[in-house]
Amino acid sequence: AQSVAQPEDQVNVAEGNPLTVKCTYSVSGNPYLFWYVQYPNRGLQFLLKYITGDNLVKGSYGFEAEFNKSQTSFHLKKPSALVSDSALYFCAVRDIKAAGNKLTFGGGTRVLVKP
Amino acid sequence: DTGVSQNPRHKITKRGQNVTFRCDPISEHNRLYWYRQTLGQGPEFLTYFQNEAQLEKSRLLSDRFSAERPKGSFSTLEIQRTEQGDSAMYLCASSSPGQRSYGYTFGSGTRLTVV
Repeated sequence: AQSVAQPEDQVNVAEGNPLTVKCTYSVSGNPYLFWYVQYPNRGLQFLLKYITGDNLVKGSYGFEAEFNKSQTSFHLKKPSALVSDSALYFCAVRDIKAAGNKLTFGGGTRVLVKP
Repeated sequence: DTGVSQNPRHKITKRGQNVTFRCDPISEHNRLYWYRQTLGQGPEFLTYFQNEAQLEKSRLLSDRFSAERPKGSFSTLEIQRTEQGDSAMYLCASSSPGQRSYGYTFGSGTRLTVV
């Protein structure tokens, strides 16, 4: 079984400050890890992924995430947050060995960036 | 537009009525997924098709729910005898085997309100 935990329901940050959204995962094998962002009444938009290779992955809109196998974490980061980054963020995991490419999502973290 | 298309965007129905949603995936994607997302929560897996074959169904998919993908292209999700607890956003996503490490492309969803 695969699962994802996002321990923070909401993260508040001032514009220009660093932003971190936490994610931990559980899989029986090796993970594929993803971050998606959702704006109100919209579907999910892909931000970035970790498949293999460098633990630090860079994605869209200046976001990056660090894969830490020992801590089973994949925290999303942005060095300088913008008001337009305010949205709902979801971490997702897929076990490489799982058939069907099914993703399991965390419960989401709402990010509020204040001017 | 070459993205995933879902119709309708919004549906309001009376309890007990049947509803049907449609999803048109990216044309070259042979895998299609349905997820359900309730307010403030992460998407929950409902079912998955590879071409026209429905390969996996979640326990969330009660007998009142049925999904089809008759020609391996578009898919429909039908809910019979709707209940208020069915109110949610229904998300469709697609992927291809060559992109299994890339996650999904999501549609904008169909928001169902049962009154």
